[in-house]
Amino acid sequence: EDKVVQSPLSLVVHEGDTVTLNCSYEVTNFRSLLWYKQEKKAPTFLFMLTSSGIEKKSGRLSSILDKKELFSILNITATQTGDSAIYLCVWNSGGSNYKLTFGKGTLLTVNP
Amino acid sequence: GAVVSQHPSRVICKSGTSVKIECRSLDFQATTMFWYRQFPKQSLMLMATSNEGSKATYEQGVEKDKFLINHASLTLSTLTVTSAHPEDSSFYICSARGGLATDTQYFGPGTRLTVL
Repeated sequence: EDKVVQSPLSLVVHEGDTVTLNCSYEVTNFRSLLWYKQEKKAPTFLFMLTSSGIEKKSGRLSSILDKKELFSILNITATQTGDSAIYLCVWNSGGSNYKLTFGKGTLLTVNP
Repeated sequence: GAVVSQHPSRVICKSGTSVKIECRSLDFQATTMFWYRQFPKQSLMLMATSNEGSKATYEQGVEKDKFLINHASLTLSTLTVTSAHPEDSSFYICSARGGLATDTQYFGPGTRLTVL
């Protein structure tokens, strides 16, 4: 059975801390892995990863994929209260059966 | 660019009525749109994939006759929850794929459905 597993499920940190969110996947077809941020409404796109070892970076956020170990991490440095959200790791199967499968998410709470 | 809208953002209805939710891609053409459902503190669950001009593909366990999906144009898909019941109360989110060359989906703001 295809699955996407995120850890931890929840995390509480103080402003300024650095956090690492984990995502492992076991899937039959792999096209890409995506990270989304969800606050109170619908998810917003962060990164799409297709190749191993290439870090994607956007401001204080960065992400990398290890296709050999079937693993991805999302790093957030110097966290701010506005980073509080659910972070979703998403597998894209690609091909004729293109669809996204979401992990359960990591609830990040950044306290002032 | 890549903005997806949903309407309404919130709806409260009586049990037994039908509710229609619209999903529009505002600045791009979306050959494929998706409908998700999200319960509190849970992740998004794909309900169906909607392709313009053809029948939607439903995920296992999703009732086709209860959740009617129409994708009549490249910028509009609708989800109709027929004969809604309280257990249908949920957060419904649509997304649109930004073209065959991209894996990225752009999400609408969601619709909160409450069935009394």
